[in-house]
Amino acid sequence: NAGVTQTPKFRILKIGQSMTLQCTQDMNHNYMYWYRQDPGMGLKLIYYSVGAGITDKGEVPNGYNVSRSTTEDFPLRLELAAPSQTSVYFCASSYSTSGVVTQYFGPGTRLLVL
Amino acid sequence: GIQVEQSPPDLILQEGANSTLRCNFSDSVNNLQWFHQNPWGQLINLFYIPSGTKQNGRLSATTVATERYSLLYISSSQTTDSGVYFCAVEGSGGSNYKLTFGKGTLLTVNP
Repeated sequence: NAGVTQTPKFRILKIGQSMTLQCTQDMNHNYMYWYRQDPGMGLKLIYYSVGAGITDKGEVPNGYNVSRSTTEDFPLRLELAAPSQTSVYFCASSYSTSGVVTQYFGPGTRLLVL
Repeated sequence: GIQVEQSPPDLILQEGANSTLRCNFSDSVNNLQWFHQNPWGQLINLFYIPSGTKQNGRLSATTVATERYSLLYISSSQTTDSGVYFCAVEGSGGSNYKLTFGKGTLLTVNP
């Protein structure tokens, strides 16, 4: 299994441009998440999904959109990029077995908005 | 929402030393996880521990849910233990495994 994969690894955007961050998992997990991590800070939840076709806002959803058409894919869309969206973005997925919950993270996408 | 505070914010150790990292949370939880973020940014799940004690090699964790704190113990530290350690929780009543993260403890282990 590849686990959780993210593309691209690094991207520079100009203010006002748009882009989609890709996230794919091959573990058949129902739950998927997008976080952002700013320097010296913990992770903040942007959006999450409990299954295909179901998404919901997290703590910091403004300026982002998501979709979940399949179990495997959970892309994050940035519209009208702003300098405040400069961050490292992590996608994660999770499952529960025997009452134990484990969250798996992708390698991250570093985004710079200039 | 639930608040998570980690201490200390920074910790520097010599290889072979032991350390204790603390996580305080403001409300009852049904999900608590410890993560390690290595210097290359990769996040790895260390423990799922909403209550009780677990051990995995040189690492162990204890959560005292009634007193709203969790401790992560690292024994005989190695340079590869360097990185940021995050505690993340979900408050009781949640069912979507949505985690709130603390700001982390930056651990540096010197040879």
